[in-house]
Amino acid sequence: GAVVSQHPSRVICKSGTSVKIECRSLDFQATTMFWYRQFPKQSLMLMATSNEGSKATYEQGVEKDKFLINHASLTLSTLTVTSAHPEDSSFYICSARDFNGRGMEKYEQFFGPGTRLTVL
Amino acid sequence: AQSVTQLDSQVPVFEEAPVELRCNYSSSVSVYLFWYVQYPNQGLQLLLKYLSGSTLVKGINGFEAEFNKSQTSFHLRKPSVHISDTAEYFCAVSLPFNKFYFGSGTKLNVKP
Repeated sequence: GAVVSQHPSRVICKSGTSVKIECRSLDFQATTMFWYRQFPKQSLMLMATSNEGSKATYEQGVEKDKFLINHASLTLSTLTVTSAHPEDSSFYICSARDFNGRGMEKYEQFFGPGTRLTVL
Repeated sequence: AQSVTQLDSQVPVFEEAPVELRCNYSSSVSVYLFWYVQYPNQGLQLLLKYLSGSTLVKGINGFEAEFNKSQTSFHLRKPSVHISDTAEYFCAVSLPFNKFYFGSGTKLNVKP
């Protein structure tokens, strides 16, 4: 299967600072990437859908000015948490779709390993 | 809209016993179905998927699931679990080229 990486795997920052998380598709081109947030003992909640070369589509209730998403290339999407606060502490997971995938692979989402953000 | 229900938040089971994790979905159109496993502080790993064809789907690590359209279910099964299967399992549904909807997850706790 296709491989998706995230960097960093863990980040600790002070309240009020901004944090950038990278999501890369390593061996395929991802025209669409997705960003999820997972609070402890909860399921994944979709935050936004990121399309290469266009603006991201945010889910209801997600602040687009706080969670900036950039999908500048077919292999890289970034999520920037601006002016982070303790309540933003969470596990952030990205996923990517390979629309050029063979057969039914194009219908799958391939997930990154996640980034643990802790805001002090 | 689509939705996924995982009725069991936790399932305790003894090692080498069989297990079934339940997943029901709601959709007015045909959907694709997935099961993922998540180990602590890690991302999601695909166990198996149903996109079309045979309703009995075999995945990795000895897991299988059966798609039942009339009951709108996609239950995950394993005939004999191991300690290493202790993890959280998520069922997901999607339309083609559309976003995923995840269930609330089921924690499988395999006891020796």
